[in-house]
Amino acid sequence: DAKTTQPTSMDCAEGRAANLPCNHSTISGNEYVYWYRQIHSQGPQYIIHGLKNNETNEMASLIITEDRKSSTLILPHATLRDTAVYYCIVRAGGKLIFGQGTELSVKP
Amino acid sequence: DAGVTQSPTHLIKTRGQQVTLRCSPKSGHDTVSWYQQALGQGPQFIFQYYEEEERQRGNFPDRFSGHQFPNYSSELNVNALLLGDSALYLCASSLGFGNTRDIQYFGAGTRLSVL
Repeated sequence: DAKTTQPTSMDCAEGRAANLPCNHSTISGNEYVYWYRQIHSQGPQYIIHGLKNNETNEMASLIITEDRKSSTLILPHATLRDTAVYYCIVRAGGKLIFGQGTELSVKP
Repeated sequence: DAGVTQSPTHLIKTRGQQVTLRCSPKSGHDTVSWYQQALGQGPQFIFQYYEEEERQRGNFPDRFSGHQFPNYSSELNVNALLLGDSALYLCASSLGFGNTRDIQYFGAGTRLSVL
């Protein structure tokens, strides 16, 4: 079973920041938080991952709370092409355990 | 630099048949994982191959088997197909086994329909 809880769906206006929350209250000390997204009928695309500290790359920022029980993925300036299902994953060894994800709709 | 490639793109089979799906990992990667994604669901882990051996397995029956070749490419075989095996089959490659920091990169998948 997935170790994460995410809202089923969210809307965001084009050009605004999209903030996607994730709860992972049972995360262990050495488990990483990964974010992937999946655009319809394509394979999942890696976005970002982190352990304790906040992380930023060219796609997004990842904010992890100090107790590591939750995190937020931030897309700073959402575009229509960011419409996708976003998966928050707690890495359990070699495998990725996907939940249902959040369906993000970016609207003009 | 080619990413993860999977073949075929689409496949139609009938119940009871057998199917083989193929995956070529991203250049430089040595670990291949397979996932099954039913319609409307998140991907489910099937198994992972490293050094030509199955290293980790998800909750899938023995009808699902695999193989990894010396060039790190991999095959997924499914015997005695059931209607419920209809899904998108995803291959992901990564560098190094057992490293939770290694990023898995996914292919576009093979869409299997069982009639």
